[in-house]
Amino acid sequence: DGGITQSPKYLFRKEGQNVTLSCEQNLNHDAMYWYRQDPGQGLRLIYYSQIVNDFQKGDIAEGYSVSREKKESFPLTVTSAQKNPTAFYLCASSKDSGTGIGYQPQHFGDGTRLSIL
Amino acid sequence: SQQGEEDPQALSIQEGENATMNCSYKTSINNLQWYRQNSGRGLVHLILIRSNEREKHSGRLRVTLDTSKKSSSLLITASRAADTASYFCATVFTMEYGNKLVFGAGTILRVKS
Repeated sequence: DGGITQSPKYLFRKEGQNVTLSCEQNLNHDAMYWYRQDPGQGLRLIYYSQIVNDFQKGDIAEGYSVSREKKESFPLTVTSAQKNPTAFYLCASSKDSGTGIGYQPQHFGDGTRLSIL
Repeated sequence: SQQGEEDPQALSIQEGENATMNCSYKTSINNLQWYRQNSGRGLVHLILIRSNEREKHSGRLRVTLDTSKKSSSLLITASRAADTASYFCATVFTMEYGNKLVFGAGTILRVKS
């Protein structure tokens, strides 16, 4: 079955440490996204990518970095510069491409819950 | 805020009853999407309704869109305990460098058996 796989499910970060969250999709989607969800809130866009080797900052990109070297993969690194990283991180993909974002449904992984040690 | 806003924030009903959730937004839209999120899981897409559509059905779900009032409603008929989840509406917001999908804060639905 096609879908999006996020790993790990739970992750703990020590002070000053960078951690990387994995996101892989086999839906052959061009666009991929990273969102952050805090308790009782909606999703906030961190980064998105419409094509390999290209990505754009979202609303809360500071303290995060991404890469898009393969169509299937869009890893997110939470750097030590992100002072409040505790949250639920969701990766998504969609068929949106050159026509822009938001015209197609987004498919989500099951998230990674990141906490500070 | 750029977001759509859901109303109510929380809803508790008995199994078999209907549940109605509302979403209001601020700017003109191309489409409006509804998603469901079970506790601790990712979001699942339910329905996409385009700006030139007024109503759309999918199983026990009915979505309406009133672009003049900038609002949408999600109706779940004959609710089941398995419908317990958070429900989010999402609209496209056009930025300087492209679009993004903006999610509201969600309605928490609890269906009691």
